[in-house]
Amino acid sequence: DTAVSQTPKYLVTQMGNDKSIKCEQNLGHDTMYWYKQDSKKFLKIMFSYNNKELIINETVPNRFSPKSPDKAHLNLHINSLELGDSAVYFCASSQGPGGWTEAFFGQGTRLTVV
Amino acid sequence: KQEVTQIPAALSVPEGENLVLNCSFTDSAIYNLQWFRQDPGKGLTSLLLIQSSQREQTSGRLNASLDKSSGRSTLYIAASQPGDSATYLCAVRGGNTDKLIFGTGTRLQVFP
Repeated sequence: DTAVSQTPKYLVTQMGNDKSIKCEQNLGHDTMYWYKQDSKKFLKIMFSYNNKELIINETVPNRFSPKSPDKAHLNLHINSLELGDSAVYFCASSQGPGGWTEAFFGQGTRLTVV
Repeated sequence: KQEVTQIPAALSVPEGENLVLNCSFTDSAIYNLQWFRQDPGKGLTSLLLIQSSQREQTSGRLNASLDKSSGRSTLYIAASQPGDSATYLCAVRGGNTDKLIFGTGTRLQVFP
């Protein structure tokens, strides 16, 4: 049973389109994240949500809008996609604050903008 | 600003060798440190989590140590196997932030 699952796994789309990536965790964690892994494989945080509330917004362009309908789900919507948005996007979850635990990651969504 | 560095960037060894991967961080005020492995085209698999109050953690052939004061962690892999081939990432969680800051990774290849 997958702990953190995200869909789709692959996404190929044209510049200017709007797309969404969905993420769900069944670990009962209260904090979820979006990370971006660039072409050099470097991972950097984009957003963090704790109990549906935005905690971290790491100077990401406002074309990226996360939405957390409940603490088990964190979706990422991207407007007006650009070539530079091509990357692998990872969703993650952990328990915290006040007792940060092990973070678990999804399998990633490889986004290719053409 | 916390920076995390991993050396070496790449490592190629014959099967059976014992390995040490290094991770260093610039701000010692961390809450915990986590080691991951990433297989090509796959997600991150958590290997070990060390809390700031701990010195080491062990899981099977893996042993991770933490020296917070010097800003260092090492991942020791005993009796390496071809199945250990992957990229190994360390990440630190700051003292008052909930984000993980990742290192640049060590790409390990173990050949038969």
